[in-house]
Amino acid sequence: EDKVVQSPLSLVVHEGDTVTLNCSYEVTNFRSLLWYKQEKKAPTFLFMLTSSGIEKKSGRLSSILDKKELFSILNITATQTGDSAVYLCAVGSTSGAGSYQLTFGKGTKLSVIP
Amino acid sequence: NAGVMQNPRHLVRRRGQEARLRCSPMKGHSHVYWYRQLPEEGLKFMVYLQKENIIDESGMPKERFSAEFPKEGPSILRIQQVVRGDSAAYFCASSPQEGYGYTFGSGTRLTVV
Repeated sequence: EDKVVQSPLSLVVHEGDTVTLNCSYEVTNFRSLLWYKQEKKAPTFLFMLTSSGIEKKSGRLSSILDKKELFSILNITATQTGDSAVYLCAVGSTSGAGSYQLTFGKGTKLSVIP
Repeated sequence: NAGVMQNPRHLVRRRGQEARLRCSPMKGHSHVYWYRQLPEEGLKFMVYLQKENIIDESGMPKERFSAEFPKEGPSILRIQQVVRGDSAAYFCASSPQEGYGYTFGSGTRLTVV
C-alpha cells in the first residue's frame, strides 16, 4: 500500500523564523509529489515536483524533491502569522486500476505566533 | 472562474438517512475526484470519474456508497443508510486532464447524529 509520512505533525514558531517541513514516501509507480496548504477550507495548491534536485520557489516558499531517498522538503522563510495552516504532502501515482491517484500524508500543522 | 463548488457546506443526517453531496467542477474540467478526510487523518482517495464514467473506484467502500458524474449537472456522491463512522469532511477536486492541475473544493462536512 502506498504510504506518505509527514513530519513533524505539528510545529509552533515565532514570526520571522524559518521552518522546514518533511515528507517521505513509499509508492509504486511514482509520478509526482505535490504540496498543498489547507486552512479551514479547500486545500490550495503550492507546488508540484516531478524531477529530483530542482528547487521550486514561490515567494518565501520553496520545495525540492529527492527521488533517490524518497523525500521532499517544504521551506518557509521569514514566517508570518498568515502562514499558519496545515501543510499537506501528496504523492501522485498510477493506481492498480491504471489511473492517476493522490495519496496524502496526515499533514503538518504549522502555527506562527507573533 | 468560480472554482470547484461543493454543496452543501455542512450536512447533518440521522443514522439510517441518505446523504447526497454535490460537486460542480471548474469550467473546462472533465475529471472529478472525491476524497474523504476523517479527523486527524489525511485525505483518502475514494473515486475518480469522468463524464458518465467511473474510472477508478478503488477507494470507495463496497456498500452504501455510490458516485456519478452525469453528462449534465454536478457530480454526486451518495451515501445510503449513513452511520456515525461516515462523519467526515468530503472533498471534491477537478482537473482538466488526468494527473494535472487538481483544484479542490471547500468540502462538505457531514455529521451523522
